[in-house]
Amino acid sequence: SQQGEEDPQALSIQEGENATMNCSYKTSINNLQWYRQNSGRGLVHLILIRSNEREKHSGRLRVTLDTSKKSSSLLITASRAADTASYFCATVFTSYGKLTFGQGTILTVHP
Amino acid sequence: DVKVTQSSRYLVKRTGEKVFLECVQDMDHENMFWYRQDPGLGLRLIYFSYDVKMKEKGDIPEGYSVSREKKERFSLILESASTNQTSMYLCASSLLPVVEGYTFGSGTRLTVV
Repeated sequence: SQQGEEDPQALSIQEGENATMNCSYKTSINNLQWYRQNSGRGLVHLILIRSNEREKHSGRLRVTLDTSKKSSSLLITASRAADTASYFCATVFTSYGKLTFGQGTILTVHP
Repeated sequence: DVKVTQSSRYLVKRTGEKVFLECVQDMDHENMFWYRQDPGLGLRLIYFSYDVKMKEKGDIPEGYSVSREKKERFSLILESASTNQTSMYLCASSLLPVVEGYTFGSGTRLTVV
């Protein structure tokens, strides 16, 4: 079953703008991860945030986690056309670490 | 550069055939996973393995089996391929416990005709 719900399903912005994607989940988690997928390819890991962390940065990416609301957000600042891709959140809540994915957000950045 | 390698990028098989999808990782990861990805349904876990010869069912194991005889190799088997198994199949691996992200292969797009 799908753990996460992502919002919006699709996002279209201009280069230079910020892009924010949200993810909600249902059960307690060990960590939450964000992935990127270019069309027809495999997923690439972007960032992992642990359940005891509230915010994490990596380059132009900022991830927040609110465990009380069971939600996370991914912010991409100063977006580029090359950021065009699908973005997925995924949660880990078992000791074996299996990932459960949200439906994803399709981001289009127009040059 | 560490990698997860899936044996085929595109595959076309006939209904009823036995299909093997191979995945090899070179990172000495304990965990390995098979997902399928379908439009509107996202990524769904088929099977995973946390050790050699160990396997656990995911969310949609019906019609599939797996084999992990060596730590680096995790095979997905479609015992008798059906058209509803046409999909993108993604293999991934990770350390156990999960302290960093998964590494995914490039995917195999399987078409069953």
